[in-house]
Amino acid sequence: DSGVTQTPKHLITATGQRVTLRCSPRSGDLSVYWYQQSLDQGLQFLIQYYNGEERAKGNILERFSAQQFPDLHSELNLSSLELGDSALYFCASKGQNTGELFFGEGSRLTVL
Amino acid sequence: AQKVTQAQTEISVVEKEDVTLDCVYETRDTTYYLFWYKQPPSGELVFLIRRNSFDEQNEISGRYSWNFQKSTSSFNFTITASQVVDSAVYFCALSEAGHDRGSTLGRLYFGRGTQLTVWP
Repeated sequence: DSGVTQTPKHLITATGQRVTLRCSPRSGDLSVYWYQQSLDQGLQFLIQYYNGEERAKGNILERFSAQQFPDLHSELNLSSLELGDSALYFCASKGQNTGELFFGEGSRLTVL
Repeated sequence: AQKVTQAQTEISVVEKEDVTLDCVYETRDTTYYLFWYKQPPSGELVFLIRRNSFDEQNEISGRYSWNFQKSTSSFNFTITASQVVDSAVYFCALSEAGHDRGSTLGRLYFGRGTQLTVWP
């Protein structure tokens, strides 16, 4: 158990819909990272937050947005979903002293 | 730009064989970190090791060992006496190093992974 919690574990929805994925980092970790794993693109960095502020952006689509709340949990919002958005979405938090990334179990999104 | 190449897409071995997973990376940074993660069929990403660019000592942890060679930009992973439970996808990753806690350290650039299947 990495200590990073992601919900939901599985989500099935239709094209055009909007979903929200939730992540709670490990206790004490201030940084949250979102990654997308798809067959086409592999594991790709989407976005990073540190203590509520956006710190880095990767290959995140404009239809996607994220935020980190004062209690440090984070949400990834995916809208106008397309078939190609079907993927495993990982959240990770960074140990402050070790620099290691601890990944949650992922949220598997299926868009039909 | 950062790039990680895992040329082996799939490897199959029989139990008790040794197997080496290759990883080659590209970076212009002088300070960086290299990682290996394991993704079993259940899907989670399990951290195996982190190495910084100044530490070229090889590391051994039980049946696992890692060979880091800056001269060839490689960070290879060997499993000795493989077991069926080692079957998984293994990812090599590279991270730049930052200077503050909120830096982009931790933004990992992953290879495409190597699917290892160990047969009984």
